Amino acid sequence: GNSVTQMEGPVTLSEEAFLTINCTYTATGYPSLFWYVQYPGEGLQLLLKATKADDKGSNKGFEATYRKETTSFHLEKGSVQVSDSAVYFCALRRNSGNTPLVFGKGTRLSVIA
Amino acid sequence: DAGVIQSPRHEVTEMGQEVTLRCKPISGHNSLFWYRQTMMRGLELLIYFNNNVPIDDSGMPEDRFSAKMPNASFSTLKIQPSEPRDSAVYFCASSLGDRAPEKLFFGSGTQLSVL
Repeated sequence: GNSVTQMEGPVTLSEEAFLTINCTYTATGYPSLFWYVQYPGEGLQLLLKATKADDKGSNKGFEATYRKETTSFHLEKGSVQVSDSAVYFCALRRNSGNTPLVFGKGTRLSVIA
Repeated sequence: DAGVIQSPRHEVTEMGQEVTLRCKPISGHNSLFWYRQTMMRGLELLIYFNNNVPIDDSGMPEDRFSAKMPNASFSTLKIQPSEPRDSAVYFCASSLGDRAPEKLFFGSGTQLSVL
């Protein structure tokens, strides 16, 4: 079946540090891949996406590249801010019909000043 | 747009009681999803609807859980009887279905505590 595995948190970084949150997936065919972010007390919201191999999704300084050969979609940011503190979810969706997203367990990021 | 509206925000109840969670999706969205979030299991899809019809309820943990969507603007998730292991944050989300399936809009969730 389809599944997403992401690194366990929590991740604690100092402001301006480099961020990597690992995500790998298992899927039949070639899914679309996503990162969602959940700020404290809120629901999830889409951060970025990539729909095919070698695509790079980017938003708000975050980037992730769809790597078919390693079945990975790692999230990166060059310089994190305190406001980036949140839980980050990697997700996939089959590219056929209106199928629901499959989420990873989430990785909590805390950025300290 | 008010976004996805869930109620109540917090629910504290005793084991054995019935719990009803409510959701109002974004107007015009034709897909609605119920998720449960716990520390141990992360975010789990319980059930989803397309055009008010339940499509996949395989994530519903057991018969104590039921969900309905009587019309395009309202859905409920009911737990009867509730148990302490049901304690979690329950999220409702909606989307435009085939037109933009990945653009899920989440409500703020209902924090359920079963004592």
